[in-house]
Amino acid sequence: AQKVTQAQTEISVVEKEDVTLDCVYETRDTTYYLFWYKQPPSGELVFLIRRNSFDEQNEISGRYSWNFQKSTSSFNFTITASQVVDSAVYFCALSDPTSGTYKYIFGTGTRLKVLA
Amino acid sequence: DVKVTQSSRYLVKRTGEKVFLECVQDMDHENMFWYRQDPGLGLRLIYFSYDVKMKEKGDIPEGYSVSREKKERFSLILESASTNQTSMYLCASSFHGDSQETQYFGPGTRLLVL
Repeated sequence: AQKVTQAQTEISVVEKEDVTLDCVYETRDTTYYLFWYKQPPSGELVFLIRRNSFDEQNEISGRYSWNFQKSTSSFNFTITASQVVDSAVYFCALSDPTSGTYKYIFGTGTRLKVLA
Repeated sequence: DVKVTQSSRYLVKRTGEKVFLECVQDMDHENMFWYRQDPGLGLRLIYFSYDVKMKEKGDIPEGYSVSREKKERFSLILESASTNQTSMYLCASSFHGDSQETQYFGPGTRLLVL
């Protein structure tokens, strides 16, 4: 069965610190996609990144970076020089395009608090 | 920009009431989804639809039904609301492509059932 684990329920950091959010997934499929979403206090989930299982290149977007390692089934998210505006709940999700159901499997989320 | 809107941000209903949650997207997406979000449980899929008048059960469909009469609109119906349906409800939409298309979410509806 597919599963996504975000073991960190809540993380608190002081502004300008770097922080890494962990995501570990389980799937028996060779083709799959991984996603990260941000949910600020307003409630809307904001799409951050999509990565397919054949692309293990790390990605950087400004202060955000993602480390995808198939060998450890992990897709971790790092925020460099965190800011108060980064405070949110972050979700990792897994999908299986071969299942035909278009479903995402979400982790339980990590609440990040960035303190000024 | 993709725009997914939900009819209400906050709703308070009484046990036994019939509740309608509306979701509209303006990007001509084929797929639409309803999730509920609860602390410690993440997002769980209730129902989804890949075409007009088509629907599929998700992981927790009990106590809910859906309606998709038009491509842009997907409604979630609580036939007889119960207190355990107090939750945050999130709608999403995506294209129906060969690859796994990104789901885009609405702002959510916080439902309180008294």
